[in-house]
Amino acid sequence: DTAVSQTPKYLVTQMGNDKSIKCEQNLGHDTMYWYKQDSKKFLKIMFSYNNKELIINETVPNRFSPKSPDKAHLNLHINSLELGDSAVYFCASSQGPGTGLDEQYFGPGTRLTVT
Amino acid sequence: GENVEQHPSTLSVQEGDSAVIKCTYSDSASNYFPWYKQELGKRPQLIIDIRSNVGEKKDQRIAVTLNKTAKHFSLHITETQPEDSAVYFCAASRSNFGNEKLTFGTGTRLTIIP
Repeated sequence: DTAVSQTPKYLVTQMGNDKSIKCEQNLGHDTMYWYKQDSKKFLKIMFSYNNKELIINETVPNRFSPKSPDKAHLNLHINSLELGDSAVYFCASSQGPGTGLDEQYFGPGTRLTVT
Repeated sequence: GENVEQHPSTLSVQEGDSAVIKCTYSDSASNYFPWYKQELGKRPQLIIDIRSNVGEKKDQRIAVTLNKTAKHFSLHITETQPEDSAVYFCAASRSNFGNEKLTFGTGTRLTIIP
């Protein structure tokens, strides 16, 4: 009965490879997010989807491509991985814009290590 | 865009004493201010939040205060316990503007000394 789940939990890969991270929420929320937490613990939003529609797209290299097949799932595909992509990637969800229910529920994170 | 500054970056407190973490924000339209706690190796979790129409909110040992004029808000933890040791993040957003982007502060690592 996990609220927000991510797979995989750990991902170790070489520079230049392409990898994907998957996220699912069973809270019935309309909005999902991807955050990147770097080695200094700084949490920065990357993307947000509301009902499968992209609503936030921060200044992120276009090697990162999110995809939301339905409102319960949000995936992140990363092409041509670089050393600087090493971080913990968190998925989160919330009820959605305009609802006043702003709490964001975070997934357990995916620790990506690029060697 | 919004900019959130958080101080201090590290804080050590004797068990039983109080801890205070302060944040300032730049966007006067921000109206929602949550605080998240992240234990080592775990996910961030909401511990308390406050909206701009309220000056203070309490939940047991945790309280948050907001000064809209000065654009700063603070987290107060009283009677600290070892399980309060974690990284705490403040954040700000424009709730109900149709784009609830949370901008996080840089985090405060709180250590409770037994």
